[in-house]
Amino acid sequence: NAGVTQTPKFQVLKTGQSMTLQCAQDMNHEYMSWYRQDPGMGLRLIHYSVGAGITDQGEVPNGYNVSRSTTEDFPLRLLSAAPSQTSVYFCASRVLGSRNEQFFGPGTRLTVL
Amino acid sequence: TQLLEQSPQFLSIQEGENLTVYCNSSSVFSSLQWYRQEPGEGPVLLVTVVTGGEVKKLKRLTFQFGDARKDSSLHITAAQPGDTGLYLCAGDSGTYKYIFGTGTRLKVLA
Repeated sequence: NAGVTQTPKFQVLKTGQSMTLQCAQDMNHEYMSWYRQDPGMGLRLIHYSVGAGITDQGEVPNGYNVSRSTTEDFPLRLLSAAPSQTSVYFCASRVLGSRNEQFFGPGTRLTVL
Repeated sequence: TQLLEQSPQFLSIQEGENLTVYCNSSSVFSSLQWYRQEPGEGPVLLVTVVTGGEVKKLKRLTFQFGDARKDSSLHITAAQPGDTGLYLCAGDSGTYKYIFGTGTRLKVLA
């Protein structure tokens, strides 16, 4: 099993550009989520999904869109990149239900100039 | 807004020393997890604590969940360079969301 995979590993964008961060998992997990990690702020939840066709907002959803057409994939779209979106982005998945371990991808380091 | 404050934010110690990291909140969590993150990688789960007052041990690491389920601590005995990393606590708010703490960056010097 590959676990949770993310692409790309690194990305540089100019202000106003759009892009999609890819996330895939092969563990048949119902729950998937996107976090951003900034220095001194831990991980903050952007969006999450509890199954195909079901998504909801986390703490910091503005400027990001998600969709969940399959159990395996959960892409994150930046509609018009801003310097404030410079961060490291992590995708995670887990079995639905409390107390279950979250499995994280290796992250995407995004810089917006 | 639920917040999890971790202290200290940074910790640099010599190999063999003991240390404690704290994770505090004004909110009650149904469970709390501790993760360790190494540079360039995603966090990896160390432990989940569920019951107020619960203590769990993982080799030289001891985790405790507060009686009121609002706080937790991680104690490392005889730290080793391999313990170096970013330690994160995460509380289950019960609404499909985990709230992560601000993180404690630990460096253990040989």
